[in-house]
Amino acid sequence: GAGVSQTPSNKVTEKGKYVELRCDPISGHTALYWYRQSLGQGPEFLIYFQGTGAADDSGLPNDRFFAVRPEGSVSTLKIQRTERGDSAVYLCASSSGLVASEQFFGPGTRLTVL
Amino acid sequence: AQTVTQSQPEMSVQEAETVTLSCTYDTSESDYYLFWYKQPPSRQMILVIRQEAYKQQNATENRFSVNFQKAAKSFSLKISDSQLGDAAMYFCAYTSGGTSYGKLTFGQGTILTVHP
Repeated sequence: GAGVSQTPSNKVTEKGKYVELRCDPISGHTALYWYRQSLGQGPEFLIYFQGTGAADDSGLPNDRFFAVRPEGSVSTLKIQRTERGDSAVYLCASSSGLVASEQFFGPGTRLTVL
Repeated sequence: AQTVTQSQPEMSVQEAETVTLSCTYDTSESDYYLFWYKQPPSRQMILVIRQEAYKQQNATENRFSVNFQKAAKSFSLKISDSQLGDAAMYFCAYTSGGTSYGKLTFGQGTILTVHP
């Protein structure tokens, strides 16, 4: 595709439910990142994939958060037993994987936990 | 751990004027990269400009330029001839050059308003 896409654009769920957020990176980009952006704040790193493997998941806040990238392209961020504090915009970015190469961001998924 | 600080929550500028957004960072590394990203209301982050720490020359991209002061750990963004389309949230970001994957650390952001 022409850019990074994320679905859904908005997701409203109830506390305790399970959600999946999808990211479709730019074709050919080997590096994929997830960030979380709370209202009025800068994005915070969650996890980085190089190919199919999670090379760095140090930003995941707890074990309710998990992400996969089974074929080295599309990635899914999964959140179990959602809490109101999980409400935020979840951003995905991809890059060529070269040192400090430009990260291209998707429009994000706004998650609201009621 | 590296930190990035933007001390100006909001800035405003008149159309066609110049504005400077401030950013400071803290790191013990010598090899790193700094970025300014723009985030309009559509939420899509767009890279504005990038600076390699090993380069003494300040980066410039059309109306956008930076003042990189490595010793002071300061990295400000100057927007010349401001346009209405420049209105957005601007984020300063850092990544280590020592790793191969480019995890970004962002500042808190500065909201820029452009008045016609």
